[in-house]
Amino acid sequence: EAGVVQSPRYKIIEKKQPVAFWCNPISGHNTLYWYRQNLGQGPELLIRYENEEAVDDSQLPKDRFSAERLKGVDSTLKIQPAELGDSAVYLCASSSDRGSGYTFGSGTRLTVV
Amino acid sequence: KQEVTQIPAALSVPEGENLVLNCSFTDSAIYNLQWFRQDPGKGLTSLLLIQSSQREQTSGRLNASLDKSSGRSTLYIAASQPGDSATYLCAVLFQSYGGATNKLIFGTGTLLAVQP
Repeated sequence: EAGVVQSPRYKIIEKKQPVAFWCNPISGHNTLYWYRQNLGQGPELLIRYENEEAVDDSQLPKDRFSAERLKGVDSTLKIQPAELGDSAVYLCASSSDRGSGYTFGSGTRLTVV
Repeated sequence: KQEVTQIPAALSVPEGENLVLNCSFTDSAIYNLQWFRQDPGKGLTSLLLIQSSQREQTSGRLNASLDKSSGRSTLYIAASQPGDSATYLCAVLFQSYGGATNKLIFGTGTLLAVQP
C-alpha cells in the first residue's frame, strides 16, 4: 500500500513569490491534515479536512495561505506571497478514523530566501 | 490550554543501553497517543499508537505506556542501537482543543543520539 505522497520534497523560492505543495493521502482515508514544522519544534496543525470540507482551519494564516481538497482526495496548500518566516517543513497526514492513528508523508522542506 | 511536553529535549547514550523517553500532557480527555520517529530531513514514521483505554503497546524493542490519569506516557527502548538515533515525537489526540475536536497536538520531541 502506498503511503501519503507529497511533492515536491524541497523548494527554494524568493520572498514574495508564490509556492504550492501537493499531497495524495492513503486511499480511503477521509481525513487529511496539513502541518507545519519549524526547526526544532513539533508539527503544528494548519488545516484539517473531512472529505472535501475544511473542518478546522483556525491556525491557517488566511491572508497568505490557502488550501483546497477537490473531490475529497488530493490536496494542495498554497502560499502567496511567501515570507522569510514561512521557511519550514510542510507535512501532510491522513487517517481513516480517529482511532486508527495518523500516517504522515515525507514532507516538503520550504526555504524562502 | 492543553499542552504536550517531552523531556529530555536531547539524550546521548552508549550503544546497548536501555532508555526511557517521557511525554506529559495536561488534559486526560484524550482519544489516543502516538509516538513517532523523525530522521533528519524526513517525515514522521509512526512507531506505536496507544488508545485511551490501553495501558501499553509493544513493537520489537519498543514499549510505550500510557497513564491517562496522571497525563504521562513513556517510550522505552531496549538495547539501543546507533540506528535508533533520531528525534522522537509524542502526539496526543485530544477530544477537544480550543473548541475544536480531534486535534493532534505534538510535543517538541527528544533528540536521541546512540553512540557506537
